[in-house]
Amino acid sequence: SAVISQKPSRDICQRGTSLTIQCQVDSQVTMMFWYRQQPGQSLTLIATANQGSEATYESGFVIDKFPISRPNLTFSTLTVSNLSPEDSSIYLCSVGVGQGRYGYTFGSGTRLTVV
Amino acid sequence: QKEVEQDPGPLSVPEGAIVSLNCTYSNSAFQYFMWYRQYSRKGPELLMYTYSSGNKEDGRFTAQVDKSSKYISLFIRDSQPSDSATYLCAMRNGGSQGNLIFGKGTKLSVKP
Repeated sequence: SAVISQKPSRDICQRGTSLTIQCQVDSQVTMMFWYRQQPGQSLTLIATANQGSEATYESGFVIDKFPISRPNLTFSTLTVSNLSPEDSSIYLCSVGVGQGRYGYTFGSGTRLTVV
Repeated sequence: QKEVEQDPGPLSVPEGAIVSLNCTYSNSAFQYFMWYRQYSRKGPELLMYTYSSGNKEDGRFTAQVDKSSKYISLFIRDSQPSDSATYLCAMRNGGSQGNLIFGKGTKLSVKP
């Protein structure tokens, strides 16, 4: 299965600023997925990123707050904009194994703390 | 009713015990069922994957899916302290790379 390198692993940011998270996959994949994991909550899908097209956002997530880039088949970034303490979470990227037929691989996560 | 329900625990067992972790779900369209293990400050690691109903065994781990009851289980035999982690169930429907729906996770502690 694919190996994902995600960075940064953690960051502490001031409110009102932005954080960009990068994910690099060691093989070409059609779709990349971005999740948020809030304390004590399930992982929640933020958006699906396809190369060469706009990301598809889930209900409750908007492009202005979570802009995503997908410049090629091995790389994607998620920016969390205009940070507030409520954005403090773990953010994870993921790709499908066998296009999702055999599960999904996750990056190691980015732990964001907004102060 | 949430789509996926999972008891968050925590669950504490002695080393060598058999551990049973469970999830229930409400969406009968779910076809793919997964179990992930997540250590503290790490990303989820895929443990078991099952398509539709049935059992699957991999070493000390057994996954069971009962679609008629909308119930999935993960059994860990001869549990070890290194099994101490949060276990997440996840599932999706049969569409192409559909959205994974996760349980909240069960925190397991195996005491030596």
